[in-house]
Amino acid sequence: GAVVSQHPSWVICKSGTSVKIECRSLDFQATTMFWYRQFPKQSLMLMATSNEGSKATYEQGVEKDKFLINHASLTLSTLTVTSAHPEDSSFYICSAREGRTPGAQPQHFGDGTRLSIL
Amino acid sequence: GENVEQHPSTLSVQEGDSAVIKCTYSDSASNYFPWYKQELGKRPQLIIDIRSNVGEKKDQRIAVTLNKTAKHFSLHITETQPEDSAVYFCAATLPMAGTALIFGKGTTLSVSS
Repeated sequence: GAVVSQHPSWVICKSGTSVKIECRSLDFQATTMFWYRQFPKQSLMLMATSNEGSKATYEQGVEKDKFLINHASLTLSTLTVTSAHPEDSSFYICSAREGRTPGAQPQHFGDGTRLSIL
Repeated sequence: GENVEQHPSTLSVQEGDSAVIKCTYSDSASNYFPWYKQELGKRPQLIIDIRSNVGEKKDQRIAVTLNKTAKHFSLHITETQPEDSAVYFCAATLPMAGTALIFGKGTTLSVSS
């Protein structure tokens, strides 16, 4: 159980293109999903917290107009990198938190999306 | 906000030896501490977690200990095997609904046979 599907796994596109990444919880409802960015040989850096039915909460330094997040249902969150440039190239990973109840719950990660902007 | 420090950044052991990775956290309100294993190019996988009302948890060759007073927690892997080679991340989270994980910088574990 607790499977998170992320799509696409790999994107190569030209500078200026907008790219949408989907994150789905397949066998559980996720009121909260998270988006992380990971550079090579570095840790996961939280970009934003995505809450179903409300606006995402962005971490300091993350441009909300650059990284658009939509969490329209209990099983789907999307991250759109708008007008992507080479510096946006990175590994983007989503995670989903089980359950609605407050408190600590395990988070399960998607497979990640490797984004390369030419 | 929460800050998580992880040491060492790299760890090399011989097959069969034990490996220990240590993390410290800054926010005494944190109450959940998972450990993730990440192989190159793959997703982080939860290998063990511990809550603040428990001091130690064990799952076969893997154990985690938590010292709330000192605000540190450790991962112990016994009888290491080459397939244990990966990057290990500790994390901490605050006891509020929807709070994200704050990760340590990771430890690259290499187990040589």
